[in-house]
Amino acid sequence: IQLTQSPSSLSASVGDRVTITCRASQDISSYLAWYQQKPGKAPKLLIYVASTLQSGVSSRFSGSGSGTDFTLTISSLQPEDFATYYCQQLITYPRTFGQGTKVEIK
Amino acid sequence: QVHLVESGGGVVQPERSLRLSCAASGFTFSNYGMHWVRQAPGKGLEWVAFTRDDGVIKYYADSVKGRFTISRDNFKNTLYLQMDSLRAEDTAVYYCARNWVGWGPHIGTSDVFDIWGQGTSVTVSS
Repeated sequence: IQLTQSPSSLSASVGDRVTITCRASQDISSYLAWYQQKPGKAPKLLIYVASTLQSGVSSRFSGSGSGTDFTLTISSLQPEDFATYYCQQLITYPRTFGQGTKVEIK
Repeated sequence: QVHLVESGGGVVQPERSLRLSCAASGFTFSNYGMHWVRQAPGKGLEWVAFTRDDGVIKYYADSVKGRFTISRDNFKNTLYLQMDSLRAEDTAVYYCARNWVGWGPHIGTSDVFDIWGQGTSVTVSS
């Protein structure tokens, strides 16, 4: 299963609302997770089963979607949110990731 | 506190072998499936391999099948990745990750990678 994220990168300002999309090549129901990765660090789980926020993750992050189209939204971008974001499908092996979306400071 | 610590990376020549380790602490290792995920320099994440909690079921990415072997020692709380016939394209940071079963509305349970190690770097070069 291929996952295509858009955009590949974006520039935004602190306080902006940011939306990242992930499209699957076939129906994956809600078996989708989102991760955040900062340079030189391991990925961090943000959201699983498309819309459930991982414990300890800020509520400004939210996820939605099912089937083939999914969205990660950051309601009000904070300085610590500048990072690369990956979606991942968990319905079948291989457990594929999207190519990533880099969120940069405008 | 839950921790995963990888080790064993380094510089290795093409066609040689290397074994990575991932030491787990702070949780009951034998209750969880485990994954290896890699990231080539400047690239995205690539899932590599999975082992079920008992070590019986294993899955591999096509890119490493037949060359890499995932294993675990539940008495030592350690995950391994034996990498043989290494190629330049295997150059990457290798992460181990815990497979956790989360629950969500509509679909019930789902696997997710909830804990990650800090990674160990492997460079394949002559």
